Amino acid sequence: QVQLLQSGAEVKKPGASVNISCKVSSHAFPISGVSWVRQAPGQGLEWLGWVSGYDAGTNYAQKLQGRVSMTKDTSTATAYMALRSLQSDDTAVYYCASTKDSYSPPGNWGQGTLVIVSS
Amino acid sequence: DIQMTQSPSSLSASVGDRVIITCRASQDIVNSLAWFQQRPGKAPRLLLYAASRVESGVPSRFSGSGSGTAYTLTISGLQPEDFATYYCQQYYSSPSWTFGQGTKVDI
Repeated sequence: QVQLLQSGAEVKKPGASVNISCKVSSHAFPISGVSWVRQAPGQGLEWLGWVSGYDAGTNYAQKLQGRVSMTKDTSTATAYMALRSLQSDDTAVYYCASTKDSYSPPGNWGQGTLVIVSS
Repeated sequence: DIQMTQSPSSLSASVGDRVIITCRASQDIVNSLAWFQQRPGKAPRLLLYAASRVESGVPSRFSGSGSGTAYTLTISGLQPEDFATYYCQQYYSSPSWTFGQGTKVDI
């Protein structure tokens, strides 16, 4: 079973940026890529985007276009998500997730990274 | 974008009960439907995929059915560890996903 290990909690001020990492335990970045999902306090799951393991192509949720960047480092089997211009409604637990192939649901999830945006 | 509508948003049940949660997609998702269980403070856990296929290690009391735009998750014989929140997810439009709003199952 592939394990995903995320970086630790962050506290940021409004307007700042946050970078979250997600390391794949198998030491091989999944060809199917890594997706990011967030969950605001007491709320449901929201898909944020995906980075391809094949060619580093990306696909982002429309509401985050222009504020989010998802990248990967194949040499360290690590995915990264950067979110800029943070606002209070970006406060959430952020998860990375991977699938066994390009047309499967996510069977592997990171433990989550809490991001708090507060002045 | 494909919208997912899940119901009910919450329900109360007892150990041993049969619980049914429904999920409706805004368009035909051709069985590309998964169900997740999430306990407080934990990451979601994949229970079923392709509408009715049970993920390895998931108890057989969990089952799924449906086609087209309408799907259901059934828990037959609710156990204490099943009190959690359940989400449906469409992956027909992968890599873009949509989740239902969630159903909280409590006592």
